[in-house]
Amino acid sequence: KQEVTQIPAALSVPEGENLVLNCSFTDSAIYNLQWFRQDPGKGLTSLLLIQSSQREQTSGRLNASLDKSSGRSTLYIAASQPGDSATYLCAVEGGQGGSEKLVFGKGMKLTVNP
Amino acid sequence: EAGVVQSPRYKIIEKKQPVAFWCNPISGHNTLYWYLQNLGQGPELLIRYENEEAVDDSQLPKDRFSAERLKGVDSTLKIQPAELGDSAVYLCASSRDRTDTQYFGPGTRLTVL
Repeated sequence: KQEVTQIPAALSVPEGENLVLNCSFTDSAIYNLQWFRQDPGKGLTSLLLIQSSQREQTSGRLNASLDKSSGRSTLYIAASQPGDSATYLCAVEGGQGGSEKLVFGKGMKLTVNP
Repeated sequence: EAGVVQSPRYKIIEKKQPVAFWCNPISGHNTLYWYLQNLGQGPELLIRYENEEAVDDSQLPKDRFSAERLKGVDSTLKIQPAELGDSAVYLCASSRDRTDTQYFGPGTRLTVL
């Protein structure tokens, strides 16, 4: 059974710092990995999707990398801003048996202080 | 483009009562998902529809939960009877097809007293 872990559960930083959020998964036979953002009381917004054949994806100040063999992904946020405060979730699709559903981590709550 | 619409946004009921949630996906999206999100956890898939066909409902507790997607557009998720442990946020998402990015609605927060 695929398991996704995000550590730490929460992070508080001053504005302007470059951040690295970590995600690990137990079954490396994935189709893809996604990073989502969730604001309080709202649904999830997809930030980046990395296919299993890719190593990284970039969007603005965000860069996500994928190391399938080690079961790890990182989300890099450059020059953090208070507006980046949210919960960030990592999710993978696939694994042994070819599961077609997204398996989410518990998320990491980020607070960027002005 | 309008996003995924869910209603109600909040619902408080007493245990053993029935409850229903409604979802209107983004126009043209054939795939629709219902997720359950408990506090401090990531979403867990309950059911996935391809048009009007439920293709993955393995995680749906069928003794009390039911779902339908008539005409392959709107969907409803029902719980009857509700239990205390059903208190959670119920999220709906849609995508053009199974391989495309999922777009999430704001969710319905259910509190069972």
